Amino acid sequence: DTEVTQTPKHLVMGMTNKKSLKCEQHMGHRAMYWYKQKAKKPPELMFVYSYEKLSINESVPSRFSPECPNSSLLNLHLHALQPEDSALYLCASSYTLAGETERTSTDTQYFGPGTRLTVL
Amino acid sequence: DQQVKQNSPSLSVQEGRISILNCDYTNSMFDYFLWYKKYPAEGPTFLISISSIKDKNEDGRFTVFLNKSAKHLSLHIVPSQPGDSAVYFCAALLTGANNLFFGTGTRLTVIP
Repeated sequence: DTEVTQTPKHLVMGMTNKKSLKCEQHMGHRAMYWYKQKAKKPPELMFVYSYEKLSINESVPSRFSPECPNSSLLNLHLHALQPEDSALYLCASSYTLAGETERTSTDTQYFGPGTRLTVL
Repeated sequence: DQQVKQNSPSLSVQEGRISILNCDYTNSMFDYFLWYKKYPAEGPTFLISISSIKDKNEDGRFTVFLNKSAKHLSLHIVPSQPGDSAVYFCAALLTGANNLFFGTGTRLTVIP
């Protein structure tokens, strides 16, 4: 089973709203990721969590606030977003982290279906 | 600066024939390469991967070839099926890092 689930599938919000995106995996993976994908562009990394701790923040604005309540869940809290933040937000997970072992297939990242976010 | 490049934005192939998708990279510190398939408004689906210590990996109809000296990899799909029609991304991991670098994608259309 390589399933990563994300909710909601679609989200429309105003610039003053507060909302959250949720991601869940039950594969025992130790690393979880948030990516952002704009139309006709490849996904871009936002955050990496390893062992429930934030390990990478790719200079993401503070209006995006990640949270990892436990090893299976990853949230992305949204507040005061701008219309240009509209995109597909993808969650991913992998079993191992770089440096733990030699590079193996357990470093493969598995993606969820994404949340299509529209900011009005 | 795009470190992983897919120079063909689209490819059309007849059903039953071979599809060859290409990918080039510039950073010699990439040590793991992956291919993902993506449908519109969905997340990327992992297809196949290869470590930099290998030059070929095969899984069913999918084979990935890696030419380290040329910094080039390719995905072969044979035989191609209409259900293979999607956008294919190659991606790479740097040694010691977990952030994936994606190419810009190639849209494959398999014609019945």
